[in-house]
Amino acid sequence: AQSVTQPDIHITVSEGASLELRCNYSYGATPYLFWYVQSPGQGLQLLLKYFSGDTLVQGIKGFEAEFKRSQSSFNLRKPSVHWSDAAEYFCAAGGSNYKLTFGKGTLLTVNP
Amino acid sequence: DAGITQSPRHKVTETGTPVTLRCHQTENHRYMYWYRQDPGHGLRLIHYSYGVKDTDKGEVSDGYSVSRSKTEDFLLTLESATSSQTSVYFCAISESGGLRETQYFGPGTRLLVL
Repeated sequence: AQSVTQPDIHITVSEGASLELRCNYSYGATPYLFWYVQSPGQGLQLLLKYFSGDTLVQGIKGFEAEFKRSQSSFNLRKPSVHWSDAAEYFCAAGGSNYKLTFGKGTLLTVNP
Repeated sequence: DAGITQSPRHKVTETGTPVTLRCHQTENHRYMYWYRQDPGHGLRLIHYSYGVKDTDKGEVSDGYSVSRSKTEDFLLTLESATSSQTSVYFCAISESGGLRETQYFGPGTRLLVL
């Protein structure tokens, strides 16, 4: 069965520190991969997506993610976190059936 | 922001009553989706539609039905609400349904079933 795992339920970082959110997937083939962000009380906003090609993907708000086939991972990174980045982050994967499978999310807290 | 609205935004209802949630889009996108979001579960697909009158089940479709009589509207109905259906419901749309197409999400509906 297809699955997406986000091992960290909650991460706290200091403003200005670097950030890495982990995502692992289990699929029959290389899936399409996405990172979404959800601010409190809001819907989800797409940060970035990976389909093929360059394994380092740039997204909005200064985020990037790296696809590593050997590790079945698609980790999200940001070199310097801002207080406005506090939110919940979801990794998602999709295959040929046009359906997305989401991870359970990682809640990011940013300390001043 | 994609033109997606959901109504109502908040609803409290009693067990056993029918509930209908509405998703309305102004983008003329072909695909529409209903997800539910629960703590510790992320988002799970309930039903989706790939055109007017064309719908299919997602992974948590039991207890839910959907209808799409117009491109712009996708309705989610809980025939007889249960407490386990207390959740936040999100509608999403995508232009073609292919996963190269981004799914855009609405603001969500908070449903409490007492």
